[in-house]
Amino acid sequence: ILNVEQSPQSLHVQEGDSTNFTCSFPSSNFYALHWYRWETAKSPEALFVMTLNGDEKKKGRISATLNTKEGYSYLYIKGSQPEDSATYLCAFRTGAQKLVFGQGTRLTINP
Amino acid sequence: EPEVTQTPSHQVTQMGQEVILRCVPISNHLYFYWYRQILGQKVEFLVSFYNNEISEKSEIFDDQFSVERPDGSNFTLKIRSTKLEDSAMYFCASTGDRGPSEQYFGPGTRLTVT
Repeated sequence: ILNVEQSPQSLHVQEGDSTNFTCSFPSSNFYALHWYRWETAKSPEALFVMTLNGDEKKKGRISATLNTKEGYSYLYIKGSQPEDSATYLCAFRTGAQKLVFGQGTRLTINP
Repeated sequence: EPEVTQTPSHQVTQMGQEVILRCVPISNHLYFYWYRQILGQKVEFLVSFYNNEISEKSEIFDDQFSVERPDGSNFTLKIRSTKLEDSAMYFCASTGDRGPSEQYFGPGTRLTVT
């Protein structure tokens, strides 16, 4: 059974602070790691698809790193803004099509 | 920007009734998926669909579930006889190829079985 874990489950951060959270996944049969940003009542928004060990990807103030050998990925948000409040989901993929999701990190930015 | 749409946004049904959840994937996409999230649990995979066939399904996707692409635009999930434990948020997703590309998700249909 593939298990993907995210930590912490929830996080409160002051506006302007930077933050990061973790996704742990199996280190074998790795194909890709996806990050999504999900606001209530909206579609989960694709942030990154990461495939190579050592990958670093960036979109604005959000970046992610990948370590496939040890089975973890970090998501970083620099200078948090209220609009960053959302649940951040990671999902692991083997060669099959399905995504295996973690439970998400719920981020709240306090103004 | 193209997006995946789903209808209805909320469906309430009685136990034992059939429901059909509808999705319109992004128009040039070829691979389609259903996922669900029971309240408080992880998002879990149900089924993937390509070339008018199921390509992969989970243990959850038993004989009570079926999927169909009835025309060139819609992708549906049917639950034949709903149970209380089918109450969940159901997400449709689509992607353009088999490779490590993004799966684009719809906003979900909240199914409540009473």
